[in-house]
Amino acid sequence: RKEVEQDPGPFNVPEGATVAFNCTYSNSASQSFFWYRQDCRKEPKLLMSVYSSGNEDGRFTAQLNRASQYISLLIRDSKLSDSATYLCVVTRSGGYNKLIFGAGTRLAVHP
Amino acid sequence: EAGVTQFPSHSVIEKGQTVTLRCDPISGHDNLYWYRRVMGKEIKFLLHFVKESKQDESGMPNNRFLAERTGGTYSTLKVQPAELEDSGVYFCASSQDYRNGSTEAFFGQGTRLTVV
Repeated sequence: RKEVEQDPGPFNVPEGATVAFNCTYSNSASQSFFWYRQDCRKEPKLLMSVYSSGNEDGRFTAQLNRASQYISLLIRDSKLSDSATYLCVVTRSGGYNKLIFGAGTRLAVHP
Repeated sequence: EAGVTQFPSHSVIEKGQTVTLRCDPISGHDNLYWYRRVMGKEIKFLLHFVKESKQDESGMPNNRFLAERTGGTYSTLKVQPAELEDSGVYFCASSQDYRNGSTEAFFGQGTRLTVV
């Protein structure tokens, strides 16, 4: 079983739609949680960290449920420029920020 | 300020040859990581340097892979001899000393390695 599991998608949504991505992680010792974004043939870039209390950054909302070992990302009012692969990433306790990646969920926003 | 830079951006080599990938982290970043993404799979950790020391090399596939970070600045990842299954995109990332509170890892654009 993979340590970080994501639905690979693709999610095809129209502009303006709200879309939610889910992620589960298997290691209960996971310490930090992130969503990264990766555009085609580009490097991953940090989108946002995920905190237990939930956090929001503009149109993006991230939630963490430690009990269920579940992370989510909600994108409201989707833009064409949101089209990318969204990577769920965790680090392990004491892992010196060694990032453990999910395989990513592909989002395609169309006009 | 320059980001993480990797060289070359692409490399096509024959099976059995040697290839050396280079990564220049962001200046002042103690932590340097190598990751790899093979076709259709998730990005996987290879190893982690803190300055010039290998902190964790648990992700290195086998002894055909050798990473160095002499002087704690740039790093090289050598594959010798290369096999077909080594094909993929090799990413380097760097971050500040996490004890300073910054844990964000910045990635280079990757080296796309194709072994034929």
